[in-house]
Amino acid sequence: AQTVTQSQPEMSVQEAETVTLSCTYDTSENNYYLFWYKQPPSRQMILVIRQEAYKQQNATENRFSVNFQKAAKSFSLKISDSQLGDTAMYFCAFMKLGIQGAQKLVFGQGTRLTINP
Amino acid sequence: DVKVTQSSRYLVKRTGEKVFLECVQDMDHENMFWYRQDPGLGLRLIYFSYDVKMKEKGDIPEGYSVSREKKERFSLILESASTNQTSMYLCASRTGGAAKNIQYFGAGTRLSVL
Repeated sequence: AQTVTQSQPEMSVQEAETVTLSCTYDTSENNYYLFWYKQPPSRQMILVIRQEAYKQQNATENRFSVNFQKAAKSFSLKISDSQLGDTAMYFCAFMKLGIQGAQKLVFGQGTRLTINP
Repeated sequence: DVKVTQSSRYLVKRTGEKVFLECVQDMDHENMFWYRQDPGLGLRLIYFSYDVKMKEKGDIPEGYSVSREKKERFSLILESASTNQTSMYLCASRTGGAAKNIQYFGAGTRLSVL
C-alpha cells in the first residue's frame, strides 16, 4: 500500500518570503501522479499543482513549483513571494495509474501554512 | 467551472440516528468519492463509486454505506451515528478519463454526533 508523509504539521512565514513544504511517499509503482492540494479556511479544497512521475521536468504554476525527486520519493512544494491568500492547509497526495477502481488518491497528514503580514 | 455541492455545511445529530450526507456534481463525472478529514490524519477514503449503482470500499468503510442511483448524486449514509463519527466529511468527483486526473471537492460537511 502507498503511504504519504508530511513531516511538518505547521509552518509560518512572513509575506513575500519563500517557503518549502515537504512530502515523501512510499510506493513500488513506477507510473503515478503526485499532487498538492490547498484547503483555505473556507474549506473548499483546490488543486495547486500536479506532477506525472514519468516526466523529469518539475511542474510549475506561477509562484508554485515542485521539486520532484523520484529516486528519493520526495515531492516538495515551493511557494515563492508568499501572499496572505496562501494561508491554508496543504495536502500532498499520490495516485497510481491503473484500472479505474485503482485510481484513488492517498493523502498525507497535511501542513498548516500561515502567511503573516 | 466544476461544481461539487454538499447539502449541509454543518450538521448536529444524536447517537443512534440515521444520517444522510448528500453530494451532487454538475460535470457528468464518472467517479465520486467520500472522505473524512481529521486533524493529524489527513483525508481518508470511506467509499467511492466509478459508475451509477457501483460502489467500492475505501480504507475506512466500517459504519458507513453509500448510494449512487444517479450519476450526479452520491450519498453517504451513517446507519447508526456514533460519537466517533464526528468529523469533517468531504465529497469529491473526477472524470474517468486518464488524461484529466483532477479531483474536485465540495466545501465539506462538519458533522457533530452528540
